[in-house]
Amino acid sequence: EAQVTQNPRYLITVTGKKLTVTCSQNMNHEYMSWYRQDPGLGLRQIYYSMNVEVTDKGDVPEGYKVSRKEKRNFPLILESPSPNQTSLYFCASTPQAGGLTEAFFGQGTRLTVV
Amino acid sequence: DQQVKQNSPSLSVQEGRISILNCDYTNSMFDYFLWYKKYPAEGPTFLISISSIKDKNEDGRFTVFLNKSAKHLSLHIVPSQPGDSAVYFCAARKGGIQGAQKLVFGQGTRLTINP
Repeated sequence: EAQVTQNPRYLITVTGKKLTVTCSQNMNHEYMSWYRQDPGLGLRQIYYSMNVEVTDKGDVPEGYKVSRKEKRNFPLILESPSPNQTSLYFCASTPQAGGLTEAFFGQGTRLTVV
Repeated sequence: DQQVKQNSPSLSVQEGRISILNCDYTNSMFDYFLWYKKYPAEGPTFLISISSIKDKNEDGRFTVFLNKSAKHLSLHIVPSQPGDSAVYFCAARKGGIQGAQKLVFGQGTRLTINP
């Protein structure tokens, strides 16, 4: 089954404790992205990757890092989480550049930073 | 600034009637528009899309209309069914390789279909 898989689904952590949210897709898509969803703001892009070792900032990159060492994986790293990073996070993958194709989303990771 | 806006946070419609969800955008560089549907505890799932060269796209009960001069698009669902109750997000992207990477989302509209 074609899918984007995120782990964990739920996470409660303390301020300053480094964490990683994993994302994996099995569709051989070149493009992957991370979004956060907050009430009244919709989804906002954090980082994106056009291919292995190619990443760039989205609209709200502060406090986040990413890496793309393999085509299928795109982990999101919070080096020192803060309470304002409490949010619902989605990973997405897209099959090709420039084509009129939609992004496929994972099921989400609800992060609470206390 | 919010480049894609959904001004109605919620909408309630009777089962069998038409649901109309609206979306406005400000950036004339957007060339592709999408609607996503989201159930609680799930990720957004693609529903329907429209290219900027068209003004209408239809898929079963779902039709998206695009009015480029007004920078407005709408999603029509007819007839509405209880399973359509969800949050609907409007999204837009620019053309080109960079544009393909980034979807700009509206705030979402929670649709409730009443039996």
